[in-house]
Amino acid sequence: AQSVTQLGSHVSVSEGALVLLRCNYSSSVPPYLFWYVQYPNQGLQLLLKYTTGATLVKGINGFEAEFKKSETSFHLTKPSAHMSDAAEYFCALDTGGFKTIFGAGTRLFVKA
Amino acid sequence: DTEVTQTPKHLVMGMTNKKSLKCEQHMGHRAMYWYKQKAKKPPELMFVYSYEKLSINESVPSRFSPECPNSSLLNLHLHALQPEDSALYLCASSQPGQGNNQPQHFGDGTRLSIL
Repeated sequence: AQSVTQLGSHVSVSEGALVLLRCNYSSSVPPYLFWYVQYPNQGLQLLLKYTTGATLVKGINGFEAEFKKSETSFHLTKPSAHMSDAAEYFCALDTGGFKTIFGAGTRLFVKA
Repeated sequence: DTEVTQTPKHLVMGMTNKKSLKCEQHMGHRAMYWYKQKAKKPPELMFVYSYEKLSINESVPSRFSPECPNSSLLNLHLHALQPEDSALYLCASSQPGQGNNQPQHFGDGTRLSIL
């Protein structure tokens, strides 16, 4: 069965600190993986996607993610957090049809 | 600015009312989606249209009725809703196709409250 697990419903970092949001997946076929961000009262916005090829994927707003097949992980990182990064982050798996499996989400708090 | 436009942004309705949510995109996408999102939860898929035909209905109650008049528009007709239907309703679009790894583009949603 295909699934997405986000470790940690809440992550708190200080401004300027490293951001690390964890995502593990389960898929019987080569996965297509996404990270989305949702700011309050807005829809989901694509941060980055992994399809095939390069395992280190760069996205918008300074975020990047590394696909590790051996660890079935797709963790999201940003070297230096900014107050504007505070939001809900969803890791998602494309099932190959029209259905996307979303993780439960991780709320990122950034302290001044 | 989002490329998927949803109206209205907020809607308050009684349980006996009939209302409609609207979604529009001009990116040439041929797949359009309705999601329901409760607070602090991920989006839950409700319906998918591909080339203006209903492809997926995730066993949604009949009080929700989708419609896709053309490739740019998607409606969700609401009737006799229940308080538990209060949520953020998100519309999304993408290029269709099996496993073509195209991400979905989301609107900002309609915040629906049922009195």
